[in-house]
Amino acid sequence: EVQLVESGGGLVQPGGSLRLSCAASGFTFSSYAMSWVRQAPGKGLEWVSAISGSGGSTYYADSVKGRFTISRDNSKNTLYLQMNSLRAEDTAVYYCAKDAFAENDAFDIWGQGTMVTVSS
Amino acid sequence: SYVLTQPPSVSVAPGKTARITCGGNNIGSKSVHWYQQKPGQAPVLVIYYDSDRPSGIPERFSGSNSGNTATLTISRVEAGDEADYYCQVWDSSSDHPGYVFGTGTKVTVL
Repeated sequence: EVQLVESGGGLVQPGGSLRLSCAASGFTFSSYAMSWVRQAPGKGLEWVSAISGSGGSTYYADSVKGRFTISRDNSKNTLYLQMNSLRAEDTAVYYCAKDAFAENDAFDIWGQGTMVTVSS
Repeated sequence: SYVLTQPPSVSVAPGKTARITCGGNNIGSKSVHWYQQKPGQAPVLVIYYDSDRPSGIPERFSGSNSGNTATLTISRVEAGDEADYYCQVWDSSSDHPGYVFGTGTKVTVL
Protein backbone atom coordinates (compact mmCIF):
# COMPACT_ATOMS: atom_id res chain seq x y z
CA GLU A 1 0.00 0.00 0.00
CA VAL A 2 1.30 3.42 -0.96
CA GLN A 3 1.51 5.52 2.19
CA LEU A 4 2.92 8.76 3.54
CA VAL A 5 3.15 9.36 7.29
CA GLU A 6 4.15 12.76 8.68
CA SER A 7 5.60 13.38 12.11
CA GLY A 8 7.39 16.09 14.06
CA GLY A 9 4.65 18.64 14.52
CA GLY A 10 3.94 20.33 17.82
CA LEU A 11 3.90 23.58 19.75
CA VAL A 12 6.85 25.93 19.27
CA GLN A 13 7.51 29.52 20.31
CA PRO A 14 7.85 32.31 17.75
CA GLY A 15 11.39 32.40 16.43
CA GLY A 16 11.86 28.72 17.18
CA SER A 17 12.63 25.75 14.94
CA LEU A 18 11.01 22.45 14.09
CA ARG A 19 11.80 19.60 11.70
CA LEU A 20 9.02 17.67 10.07
CA SER A 21 9.48 14.18 8.63
CA CYS A 22 7.44 12.23 6.09
CA ALA A 23 8.02 8.48 5.89
CA ALA A 24 7.12 6.96 2.54
CA SER A 25 6.30 3.34 1.74
CA GLY A 26 4.82 1.28 -1.06
CA PHE A 27 6.56 2.98 -3.99
CA THR A 28 10.05 3.72 -5.29
CA PHE A 29 10.60 6.89 -3.29
CA SER A 30 13.61 8.17 -5.22
CA SER A 31 11.67 8.16 -8.49
CA TYR A 32 9.20 10.83 -7.45
CA ALA A 33 9.31 14.50 -6.61
CA MET A 34 7.69 15.38 -3.30
CA SER A 35 6.09 18.48 -1.82
CA TRP A 36 4.96 20.00 1.45
CA VAL A 37 1.56 21.71 1.53
CA ARG A 38 0.07 23.48 4.55
CA GLN A 39 -3.39 24.53 5.63
CA ALA A 40 -3.94 27.12 8.34
CA PRO A 41 -6.99 26.56 10.55
CA GLY A 42 -10.14 27.27 8.57
CA LYS A 43 -8.15 28.34 5.50
CA GLY A 44 -7.28 26.96 2.09
CA LEU A 45 -4.34 24.93 0.84
CA GLU A 46 -0.96 26.63 0.47
CA TRP A 47 1.96 24.96 -1.30
CA VAL A 48 5.16 25.34 0.75
CA SER A 49 8.04 23.57 -0.98
CA ALA A 50 8.95 20.87 -3.48
CA ILE A 51 11.99 18.71 -4.17
CA SER A 52 12.94 16.55 -7.14
CA GLY A 53 13.41 12.81 -6.85
CA SER A 54 17.19 13.09 -6.69
CA GLY A 55 17.04 16.06 -4.34
CA GLY A 56 18.98 18.16 -6.80
CA SER A 57 16.20 20.69 -7.41
CA THR A 58 14.24 22.50 -4.74
CA TYR A 59 11.48 25.10 -4.88
CA TYR A 60 9.95 27.31 -2.21
CA ALA A 61 6.96 29.56 -1.77
CA ASP A 62 7.91 33.19 -1.22
CA SER A 63 6.34 33.05 2.26
CA VAL A 64 8.91 30.53 3.53
CA LYS A 65 11.97 31.13 1.33
CA GLY A 66 15.06 31.64 3.44
CA ARG A 67 13.43 30.19 6.56
CA PHE A 68 12.43 26.65 5.52
CA THR A 69 14.61 23.96 3.94
CA ILE A 70 13.29 20.88 2.18
CA SER A 71 15.44 17.76 1.89
CA ARG A 72 15.17 14.03 1.43
CA ASP A 73 17.05 10.87 2.31
CA ASN A 74 16.30 8.34 -0.41
CA SER A 75 18.10 5.61 1.51
CA LYS A 76 15.58 6.06 4.31
CA ASN A 77 12.55 6.83 2.10
CA THR A 78 12.01 9.99 4.11
CA LEU A 79 11.21 13.60 3.25
CA TYR A 80 12.04 16.45 5.62
CA LEU A 81 11.11 20.06 6.19
CA GLN A 82 13.40 22.09 8.45
CA MET A 83 11.50 25.13 9.67
CA ASN A 84 13.42 28.01 11.27
CA SER A 85 12.43 31.49 12.47
CA LEU A 86 8.86 30.32 12.87
CA ARG A 87 6.06 32.87 12.97
CA ALA A 88 2.48 32.75 14.18
CA GLU A 89 1.34 32.70 10.55
CA ASP A 90 3.17 29.38 10.03
CA THR A 91 0.58 27.71 12.27
CA ALA A 92 -1.06 25.05 10.11
CA VAL A 93 -1.51 21.40 9.34
CA TYR A 94 1.44 20.36 7.19
CA TYR A 95 0.91 17.66 4.59
CA CYS A 96 3.51 15.87 2.51
CA ALA A 97 2.42 14.87 -0.98
CA LYS A 98 3.78 12.74 -3.81
CA ASP A 99 3.93 13.79 -7.45
CA ALA A 100 1.74 11.52 -9.56
CA PHE A 101 3.90 10.93 -12.60
CA ALA A 102 6.52 13.50 -13.41
CA GLU A 103 8.06 16.46 -11.66
CA ASN A 104 5.77 19.47 -11.23
CA ASP A 105 2.77 17.18 -11.54
CA ALA A 106 -0.46 16.56 -9.65
CA PHE A 107 -0.28 15.13 -6.14
CA ASP A 108 -1.76 11.64 -6.14
CA ILE A 109 -0.90 10.61 -2.59
CA TRP A 110 -1.12 12.76 0.56
CA GLY A 111 -0.20 12.05 4.15
CA GLN A 112 -2.63 12.56 7.02
CA GLY A 113 -0.91 15.77 8.10
CA THR A 114 0.90 16.98 11.20
CA MET A 115 -0.12 20.08 13.16
CA VAL A 116 2.35 22.87 13.81
CA THR A 117 1.37 25.57 16.29
CA VAL A 118 3.55 28.65 16.70
CA SER A 119 2.60 30.46 19.87
CA SER A 120 4.10 31.84 23.06
CA SER B 1 2.68 35.85 -8.75
CA TYR B 2 0.06 33.71 -10.45
CA VAL B 3 -3.42 33.81 -8.93
CA LEU B 4 -6.22 31.25 -9.22
CA THR B 5 -9.71 32.49 -8.32
CA GLN B 6 -12.60 30.21 -7.36
CA PRO B 7 -16.10 31.06 -6.15
CA PRO B 8 -16.28 30.67 -2.36
CA SER B 9 -19.35 28.47 -2.49
CA VAL B 10 -21.60 26.51 -4.80
CA SER B 11 -24.93 25.01 -3.77
CA VAL B 12 -26.58 22.21 -5.69
CA ALA B 13 -29.55 19.89 -5.23
CA PRO B 14 -29.02 16.12 -5.23
CA GLY B 15 -29.06 14.68 -8.73
CA LYS B 16 -28.23 18.01 -10.36
CA THR B 17 -24.95 19.27 -11.83
CA ALA B 18 -22.38 21.38 -9.99
CA ARG B 19 -19.85 23.44 -11.90
CA ILE B 20 -16.84 24.92 -10.10
CA THR B 21 -14.72 27.43 -11.96
CA CYS B 22 -11.05 28.26 -11.55
CA GLY B 23 -9.96 31.51 -13.15
CA GLY B 24 -6.38 32.42 -14.02
CA ASN B 25 -4.54 34.38 -16.67
CA ASN B 26 -4.30 32.13 -19.75
CA ILE B 27 -4.91 29.09 -17.55
CA GLY B 28 -5.74 27.16 -20.71
CA SER B 29 -2.01 26.94 -21.41
CA LYS B 30 -1.38 25.12 -18.13
CA SER B 31 -2.31 21.69 -16.77
CA VAL B 32 -4.95 21.98 -14.08
CA HIS B 33 -5.50 19.51 -11.27
CA TRP B 34 -8.46 19.33 -8.89
CA TYR B 35 -8.70 18.09 -5.30
CA GLN B 36 -11.60 17.23 -3.03
CA GLN B 37 -11.18 17.77 0.71
CA LYS B 38 -13.70 16.69 3.31
CA PRO B 39 -13.58 18.03 6.89
CA GLY B 40 -10.69 16.66 8.91
CA GLN B 41 -9.26 14.73 5.97
CA ALA B 42 -6.37 15.15 3.58
CA PRO B 43 -7.13 16.29 0.03
CA VAL B 44 -7.88 13.68 -2.63
CA LEU B 45 -6.99 14.09 -6.31
CA VAL B 46 -10.16 13.91 -8.44
CA ILE B 47 -9.00 15.34 -11.79
CA TYR B 48 -5.49 15.72 -13.27
CA TYR B 49 -4.20 17.11 -16.55
CA ASP B 50 -7.40 19.15 -16.97
CA SER B 51 -9.74 16.22 -17.53
CA ASP B 52 -8.24 12.86 -16.54
CA ARG B 53 -9.69 10.88 -13.64
CA PRO B 54 -7.57 8.80 -11.24
CA SER B 55 -8.71 5.24 -10.73
CA GLY B 56 -11.50 5.04 -8.20
CA ILE B 57 -12.92 8.47 -8.98
CA PRO B 58 -16.49 8.24 -10.35
CA GLU B 59 -17.18 9.19 -13.96
CA ARG B 60 -19.51 11.85 -12.56
CA PHE B 61 -16.40 13.99 -12.06
CA SER B 62 -15.09 15.69 -15.20
CA GLY B 63 -12.94 18.67 -16.07
CA SER B 64 -12.24 21.13 -18.85
CA ASN B 65 -9.80 23.98 -19.39
CA SER B 66 -9.74 26.76 -21.97
CA GLY B 67 -8.83 30.41 -22.17
CA ASN B 68 -8.86 31.96 -18.72
CA THR B 69 -11.12 29.41 -17.00
CA ALA B 70 -10.88 25.78 -15.92
CA THR B 71 -14.02 24.00 -14.77
CA LEU B 72 -14.69 21.00 -12.57
CA THR B 73 -18.11 19.47 -13.25
CA ILE B 74 -19.84 17.08 -10.89
CA SER B 75 -22.84 15.38 -12.51
CA ARG B 76 -25.66 13.70 -10.64
CA VAL B 77 -24.47 15.19 -7.38
CA GLU B 78 -24.69 13.02 -4.27
CA ALA B 79 -24.64 13.95 -0.60
CA GLY B 80 -21.14 12.47 -0.34
CA ASP B 81 -19.82 15.06 -2.80
CA GLU B 82 -20.22 17.80 -0.20
CA ALA B 83 -16.67 19.05 0.37
CA ASP B 84 -14.16 21.77 -0.40
CA TYR B 85 -12.64 21.68 -3.88
CA TYR B 86 -9.31 23.22 -4.94
CA CYS B 87 -7.73 23.72 -8.34
CA GLN B 88 -3.95 23.65 -8.76
CA VAL B 89 -1.36 24.47 -11.40
CA TRP B 90 2.41 24.60 -11.69
CA ASP B 91 3.48 28.14 -12.52
CA SER B 92 6.80 28.31 -14.31
CA SER B 93 6.30 31.82 -15.61
CA SER B 94 7.89 33.75 -12.76
CA ASP B 95 11.42 33.95 -11.34
CA HIS B 96 10.23 31.67 -8.55
CA PRO B 97 8.44 28.72 -10.13
CA GLY B 98 6.10 26.76 -7.92
CA TYR B 99 2.66 25.32 -7.37
CA VAL B 100 -0.37 27.53 -6.96
CA PHE B 101 -3.66 26.47 -5.39
CA GLY B 102 -6.97 28.12 -6.02
CA THR B 103 -8.85 29.87 -3.24
CA GLY B 104 -11.16 26.90 -2.75
CA THR B 105 -14.89 26.31 -3.26
CA LYS B 106 -17.22 24.83 -0.69
CA VAL B 107 -19.84 22.64 -2.35
CA THR B 108 -23.05 22.31 -0.39
CA VAL B 109 -25.60 19.67 -1.32
CA LEU B 110 -29.06 21.01 -0.52
